[in-house]
Amino acid sequence: EAQVTQNPRYLITVTGKKLTVTCSQNMNHEYMSWYRQDPGLGLRQIYYSMNVEVTDKGDVPEGYKVSRKEKRNFPLILESPSPNQTSLYFCASSFSTGELFFGEGSRLTVL
Amino acid sequence: ILNVEQSPQSLHVQEGDSTNFTCSFPSSNFYALHWYRWETAKSPEALFVMTLNGDEKKKGRISATLNTKEGYSYLYIKGSQPEDSATYLCAFGGSQGNLIFGKGTKLSVKP
Repeated sequence: EAQVTQNPRYLITVTGKKLTVTCSQNMNHEYMSWYRQDPGLGLRQIYYSMNVEVTDKGDVPEGYKVSRKEKRNFPLILESPSPNQTSLYFCASSFSTGELFFGEGSRLTVL
Repeated sequence: ILNVEQSPQSLHVQEGDSTNFTCSFPSSNFYALHWYRWETAKSPEALFVMTLNGDEKKKGRISATLNTKEGYSYLYIKGSQPEDSATYLCAFGGSQGNLIFGKGTKLSVKP
């Protein structure tokens, strides 16, 4: 089954404790991206990747890192999480910049 | 900062009504315009990706048009059904690979 898989789906953590949200897709998509969704602000792009070893900042990259060492994986890293990073995170992938396929979302709470 | 505006923010219609929403986006560095349907507690699902000025796409009772010169797209739903209730998102795809979402139009269809 074609899918985008994110883990963990839910996480409560504390300020400053490094965490990684994994994202994996099995559709051989070149393009992958991360978004956060906050009430009243809609989906905002954090980082995107056009292909392996190519990553670019989106609208809200501060406090996040990503890597794209393999085509199928695009992890989101929070080196030192802060409460303002409490949000619902979505990973998505597509061929080039065609229609996005979204993961199920990861709800992160930083205390 | 590039801005994508959607109107109205919310819409309540009766079953059987036809309705339409607007998406306004920057007319420079345009690559693609996306429409997504987002049901509560689910992930966004793609409806259309349009790239050419004057493009019109249709999927069942839902259709969309694109005007890249003036920077707007319309989404039409003919004969709304309760199952059409969702938030409809548009996203501007820039030539550099970034994707900027509007805040969405929340549609409620009453039986």
